Amino acid sequence: ETGVTQSPTHLIKTRGQQVTLRCSSQSGHNTVSWYQQALGQGPQFIFQYYREEENGRGNFPPRFSGLQFPNYSSELNVNALELDDSALYLCASSPPAGADTQYFGPGTRLTVL
Amino acid sequence: GDSVTQMEGPVTLSEEAFLTINCTYTATGYPSLFWYVQYPGEGLQLLLKATKADDKGSNKGFEATYRKETTSFHLEKGSVQVSDSAVYFCALSDRSQAGTALIFGKGTTLSVSS
Repeated sequence: ETGVTQSPTHLIKTRGQQVTLRCSSQSGHNTVSWYQQALGQGPQFIFQYYREEENGRGNFPPRFSGLQFPNYSSELNVNALELDDSALYLCASSPPAGADTQYFGPGTRLTVL
Repeated sequence: GDSVTQMEGPVTLSEEAFLTINCTYTATGYPSLFWYVQYPGEGLQLLLKATKADDKGSNKGFEATYRKETTSFHLEKGSVQVSDSAVYFCALSDRSQAGTALIFGKGTTLSVSS
């Protein structure tokens, strides 16, 4: 059984650019959540997708947006990158009727210069 | 809002020592509680969970009991190994809005020496 995968592993962007991060959910999982983890901190919830729609959002500005596709994979898009967006971005998937329990991918390390 | 507080680290132990990492929470309603572990350069791995009061989660020798009366979910292990060195995160599920967000503590770094 394949777990949650994310791409790319690392990414370097400059301030003001846009970035797209990708996530493939674990087999059989239909809910995807995204988190931002700054260095030395716990992950912070960005948003969750279920049935291709946003289903809950944390305290992040609208320049953070996402998509979920029919195969349950997902993208996180960040526009107008700021230096403070430098972080590890984690994707997590959950099984049907079990959104409480979230299984994480290895993350994408984003550096904004 | 809901929150999780963990003991600050780092926690430094010798191999085979007893481990306790304290975690307390504030929540409305009845959240599920989790411990995740993060090894250097990796994502989070689910270590154990408990979904209701008095439940005990356990995995790989680690245990934690959901204590509603003290709003705590302390992580314990009887005999740690060098391979247990990692960052440990306590988390709760927040169902106060649409969807289910996990709210994490700041993490506790564990370092085990041989």
